[in-house]
Amino acid sequence: DQQVKQNSPSLSVQEGRISILNCDYTNSMFDYFLWYKKYPAEGPTFLISISSIKDKNEDGRFTVFLNKSAKHLSLHIVPSQPGDSAVYFCAASVVPGYALNFGKGTSLLVTP
Amino acid sequence: GAGVSQSPSNKVTEKGKDVELRCDPISGHTALYWYRQSLGQGLEFLIYFQGNSAPDKSGLPSDRFSAERTGGSVSTLTIQRTQQEDSAVYLCASSSLRVGDYEQYFGPGTRLTVT
Repeated sequence: DQQVKQNSPSLSVQEGRISILNCDYTNSMFDYFLWYKKYPAEGPTFLISISSIKDKNEDGRFTVFLNKSAKHLSLHIVPSQPGDSAVYFCAASVVPGYALNFGKGTSLLVTP
Repeated sequence: GAGVSQSPSNKVTEKGKDVELRCDPISGHTALYWYRQSLGQGLEFLIYFQGNSAPDKSGLPSDRFSAERTGGSVSTLTIQRTQQEDSAVYLCASSSLRVGDYEQYFGPGTRLTVT
C-alpha cells in the first residue's frame, strides 16, 4: 500500500513563477519528511526536510509546509528556474534515519 | 568528499542467474540503505544497515534477495535466480545519523535488466 502519495505526475510552470508540489500521506506515525530532486540517470539529491514539530522550513528558494492534521505537505519553489526541471520525490519516515517511504514523484518542467 | 558509489552502473543478466550489486557509502556513515525503483514507480525500501547489522530488512521482496555489509562500510546486495520482475534501478544511500544530519545521500544506482 502506498503510504505517501503524489497525485500530480507532472507540472509545468513558467520561469520566475512559483512551483507548488503536493504530497499526502496516510501513516499518522510519520514524523520526518523530506523532498528529493532527481535528474535522469542520477540518484536522488536531498533538497529540504521538516520534522513534525514544525509547520514550515525554508532554505533559499525552497520552502516546505507541513499540515499534520490534513496529513499533507507541499514544496514551494520561488522563483522557479529552468534548472529546477527534474522529478521531485516526497518521502517520510517514522523516525529520522529510518527507512524512507517515497511517493511516485512529480515531474516538474520549468519553461523559459 | 567522495559521494556514494555503486557498481556496476548497468547489469544485464539472464533469468535464473545470480547477481551481486555493490555499494560504497560515504566514509564514516553509520547507516546504509538499499532501495529500488521499478519503471513508473517511486523508490521502494529494501533493507537498512546500522554498522554491520540489519535492524530492518522488511522490504526484501523474497528470500532470493539478501544483503550484507562488512567492516561498517561496503555493502553487497545479492539476488539469486533472478526473475524479470527484478528489473529495476537499485539505489544505495548512506547517512551519518548525526543529530541534525539525518538525510540519506544516494548513489547513482545500478540499472538491472533481467532478460
